[in-house]
Amino acid sequence: GESVGLHLPTLSVQEGDNSIINCAYSNSASDYFIWYKQESGKGPQFIIDIRSNMDKRQGQRVTVLLNKTVKHLSLQIAATQPGDSAVYFCAEIPQTGANNLFFGTGTRLTVIP
Amino acid sequence: ETGVTQSPTHLIKTRGQQVTLRCSSQSGHNTVSWYQQALGQGPQFIFQYYREEENGRGNFPPRFSGLQFPNYSSELNVNALELDDSALYLCASSREGWTVYGYTFGSGTRLTVV
Repeated sequence: GESVGLHLPTLSVQEGDNSIINCAYSNSASDYFIWYKQESGKGPQFIIDIRSNMDKRQGQRVTVLLNKTVKHLSLQIAATQPGDSAVYFCAEIPQTGANNLFFGTGTRLTVIP
Repeated sequence: ETGVTQSPTHLIKTRGQQVTLRCSSQSGHNTVSWYQQALGQGPQFIFQYYREEENGRGNFPPRFSGLQFPNYSSELNVNALELDDSALYLCASSREGWTVYGYTFGSGTRLTVV
């Protein structure tokens, strides 16, 4: 079955450093991936997405890399700020045309001032 | 443009009781999806409502049911509550044809079953 997992449950970084959050997925048929940020007491907030026909996509201070060979996703946050402290989830659409997302367990990012 | 609003924000129920959670979709969105998020876990898809009908369901028993109203708002009903139903219940709305691509999540309802 489909599964999305994360390598590290927690990550602490110094303010100003770059953060890298990793995610492994098991369904080779998945064609769309999204990274979400969830702050305490709030719902998940869209950060960036990538389709399976791309290897890299950049946003404002964030970059997502997709390695389909090893079924691995990463989210890179440049110049991490205290406001980036949150739980980060990768999610995938399990198959083309599906109307739901499979989420991983999440990584808690803590930014140290 | 208003976002997704959910009510109540917190709720405590006794095992065996029934609960109804409510969701108002974002303006312009006509599709509502519900997710269950257990503590320390990622959200899990319960079901989606589109045009007032269930449009896809995850691995949840029939005691989880829902409704969508003509104004696109939605309810999640859970019967015969179990302790494991304690979780954050998230509602997400989207535009027709966008489904997951244009999800907007609400802040959720925290349900505690004792």
